[in-house]
Amino acid sequence: ILNVEQSPQSLHVQEGDSTNFTCSFPSSNFYALHWYRWETAKSPEALFVMTLNGDEKKKGRISATLNTKEGYSYLYIKGSQPEDSATYLCAFVQLGNQFYFGTGTSLTVIP
Amino acid sequence: DAGVTQSPTHLIKTRGQQVTLRCSPKSGHDTVSWYQQALGQGPQFIFQYYEEEERQRGNFPDRFSGHQFPNYSSELNVNALLLGDSALYLCASSLLRDRGSQAYGYTFGSGTRLTVV
Repeated sequence: ILNVEQSPQSLHVQEGDSTNFTCSFPSSNFYALHWYRWETAKSPEALFVMTLNGDEKKKGRISATLNTKEGYSYLYIKGSQPEDSATYLCAFVQLGNQFYFGTGTSLTVIP
Repeated sequence: DAGVTQSPTHLIKTRGQQVTLRCSPKSGHDTVSWYQQALGQGPQFIFQYYEEEERQRGNFPDRFSGHQFPNYSSELNVNALLLGDSALYLCASSLLRDRGSQAYGYTFGSGTRLTVV
């Protein structure tokens, strides 16, 4: 069974705080790592697709890094806003295009 | 440009019954993948359809079957429903030619919530 772990499971931060969370995945047969943002009652939305070790991607106040050798990715949110409240899912894509999702990190930003 | 649409949004079925869920992919996409998300878990891959054929399958029993139509829309069928089939079923579309799901990420629908009683 292939394990993709996300931590923490949930967190609450004050508006304006910066935060980060982790996705851990197997370091073998790596093809890609995806991050999705999932707001309640909406569809998961792709944030980043990362394929190269050392990749860093940024979209506004959100950024992500990738370490394929040790099997982890960090997602950072700078200056959290209430609209950032969502569940953040990562998906490890194995060679052969099989996707394995983590259980997500639920972020609540308190105004 | 319409995204992925799924129907119905919610439904309740009795144990032993059969259910069909429907998905229309994002315009321009040709590949549909189905996922099951049980409470407290991440989405689990059921299967993927391309050119009206099942390309890949996850670890789900034969009670789970699917179909893709010439217009790329797809159905997920579950027979002999069990209480454990209660979950959110997500449909995701991508464009295989561009290895879309790996390069750009999936486009997801908002899911069908199935409750088996």
